[in-house]
Amino acid sequence: KNEVEQSPQNLTAQEGEFITINCSYSVGISALHWLQQHPGGGIVSLFMLSSGKKKHGRLIATINIQEKHSSLHITASHPRDSAVYICAVRLLSTYSGGGADGLTFGKGTHLIIQP
Amino acid sequence: GAGVSQTPSNKVTEKGKYVELRCDPISGHTALYWYRQSLGQGPEFLIYFQGTGAADDSGLPNDRFFAVRPEGSVSTLKIQRTERGDSAVYLCASSLGRGPRQTQYFGPGTRLLVL
Repeated sequence: KNEVEQSPQNLTAQEGEFITINCSYSVGISALHWLQQHPGGGIVSLFMLSSGKKKHGRLIATINIQEKHSSLHITASHPRDSAVYICAVRLLSTYSGGGADGLTFGKGTHLIIQP
Repeated sequence: GAGVSQTPSNKVTEKGKYVELRCDPISGHTALYWYRQSLGQGPEFLIYFQGTGAADDSGLPNDRFFAVRPEGSVSTLKIQRTERGDSAVYLCASSLGRGPRQTQYFGPGTRLLVL
C-alpha cells in the first residue's frame, strides 16, 4: 500500500472552475509538500505545510494533521494550470525524531483545464 | 547558475552498459537528493547527500547504483550493467540545509532509456 494516496488521478475541468486535489497519508510526517510538474519533467515546489493553511495567488493548500489529509485548491482555474500536481511527505524518522531525509511521493494528479 | 542543472538531458544506452548522470545543485546548498521517476509514477527517493557524504542511501535499488559528491557540490549518479528496467527520469534536487521544512529545488531531470 502506498503511504501517500492522491485523488483524483485525473481531472479535466473548464476554465474558471474551482479545483480540489486531495492527498491522504498513512504515516507520521514532519512536513507535506505540494509540487507541480509540467510536461517535460520540471518540478516546482508550490507549498510546504506542517499545519494549517497557506495561500499563494490562486492556490490554497490546507492540512489536517489529525486526519492525515491535505487538499490543494485552485481558484479561477486557467489552462496554464494544466500540469501534474504531486503531494509528497517528509516522514518522521523513528530514530532522530526529526524528518527522514527523502520525500515520499504520491503518484500525482493529472489536471487539464480546458478553455 | 540560478537553479539545479542536470546533464545530459537525455541518455540512450544499451543493456549492460555503464552510465553516469550529473547534477549541479544550487550554489551553497549543502543537501542534495537523487530521485527516480518511472512513467506514470511519482518520484522515488534514491539517495541523499549532506555535504560530501551519503547520509542516506536506503533508496538505491541494488549495488549497480552508486552516487558520489566528492567536493560537496556536483554529484554523479553511476549505474553499472544497465537493465531495461532502469529506464526512467532521474531527478536531482537540492536544499539549503537538512531540516524537514527545507524546500527542495528540483532539476529538469535526465531521461534514461535502456534499450
